Amino acid sequence: AQSVSQHNHHVILSEAASLELGCNYSYGGTVNLFWYVQYPGQHLQLLLKYFSGDPLVKGIKGFEAEFIKSKFSFNLRKPSVQWSDTAEYFCAVPIKAAGNKLTFGGGTRVLVKP
Amino acid sequence: KAGVTQTPRYLIKTRGQQVTLSCSPISGHRSVSWYQQTPGQGLQFLFEYFSETQRNKGNFPGRFSGRQFSNSRSEMNVSTLELGDSALYLCASRLRYSPQETQYFGPGTRLLVL
Repeated sequence: AQSVSQHNHHVILSEAASLELGCNYSYGGTVNLFWYVQYPGQHLQLLLKYFSGDPLVKGIKGFEAEFIKSKFSFNLRKPSVQWSDTAEYFCAVPIKAAGNKLTFGGGTRVLVKP
Repeated sequence: KAGVTQTPRYLIKTRGQQVTLSCSPISGHRSVSWYQQTPGQGLQFLFEYFSETQRNKGNFPGRFSGRQFSNSRSEMNVSTLELGDSALYLCASRLRYSPQETQYFGPGTRLLVL
């Protein structure tokens, strides 16, 4: 079955450390890729998205993601995290074979220690 | 523009009862999706409505149903509640029914089934 997976369930970092969260999807063809973030007590909100063009996508709050087609990956990065980046991060892909329903990875909880 | 709003925000029900949750999309958005979020299963797609028609459905039993009104507002109903239905139910809206459109999420309705 077509799916989306996130490698890490929990990540603990210190402020100013670099962050990289993995996301892999299991099918080829045209892909639309999203990263969402859920800060404690807040709504899910979009960090960034990729449809086509430059595989390096920049989003809000200093986040970026790189689409690597050969690896079926769309990893999220931030060079230097802040305490306020503590949140749960979700990769999401509309699965074409399922009518483009938005399918989320399991999420990665990131804790940034001050 | 006002964001996606959901009512009620919190709900406590007992097994066997039914519940109706409401979602008002962002003004102008015609597509509304519903998701269930639990610690064990993560974010799972329930269904999506566009122009009052269900366009896609997730793998949930028939006890879960929804509808969309002409003003794009949507409701979802869960009948014969089970303990396992305890979850955060999220509504999301987008402008069009397109895999490239960003979904904007509401704060959710937290349902507790006793």
